[in-house]
Amino acid sequence: DQQVKQNSPSLSVQEGRISILNCDYTNSMFDYFLWYKKYPAEGPTFLISISSIKDKNEDGRFTVFLNKSAKHLSLHIVPSQPGDSAVYFCAGHTGTASKLTFGTGTRRQVTL
Amino acid sequence: GAVVSQHPSRVICKSGTSVKIECRSLDFQATTMFWYRQFPKQSLMLMATSNEGSKATYEQGVEKDKFLINHASLTLSTLTVTSAHPEDSSFYICSATPGGVVQPQHFGDGTRLSIL
Repeated sequence: DQQVKQNSPSLSVQEGRISILNCDYTNSMFDYFLWYKKYPAEGPTFLISISSIKDKNEDGRFTVFLNKSAKHLSLHIVPSQPGDSAVYFCAGHTGTASKLTFGTGTRRQVTL
Repeated sequence: GAVVSQHPSRVICKSGTSVKIECRSLDFQATTMFWYRQFPKQSLMLMATSNEGSKATYEQGVEKDKFLINHASLTLSTLTVTSAHPEDSSFYICSATPGGVVQPQHFGDGTRLSIL
């Protein structure tokens, strides 16, 4: 049972353009959501989070939108930079156990 | 801040060997640490949650006698893969959080375990 889904395994975007990564979830008990970036052979790096009671959070180049009725969130990154090329994971947090449930990831490639 | 160090980064050993992986929070006290496993091109799967000074809580399907977790201090947790076999080969990652008000988990760089 995949509670967090990232249906796009990969995306490619030109440097300077906007990237939009999508994530769907099924568990209504998630109390907030996080996005992480992961380079090969490294651990994930935290990017941004959003509480389930919010619909938008912005931090620098990163903006996360949450549509609770659709159980969908998206991460907007602008402008895209070559160093951003990595795998991006969204995760749902369950407050009672402080557990993270990760999606399968989207490989984002930023081209020159 | 919020640096988590994981050691070793890579282990190659023979079948039947036990392997210990360390996870340290370098600049904060981690009341809770987590151990994940990632197979190629798959998601990170939570194996267990450990709280300092108490027994770890294992996820369904994870053998507690196979994967021994010790969280003896607020800055160190260890995962021991006992009598490792080729099917245990994977990428193991730990994370830590200071707890309290909702805090993101901070991850180590992972350990690539290869059992021959």
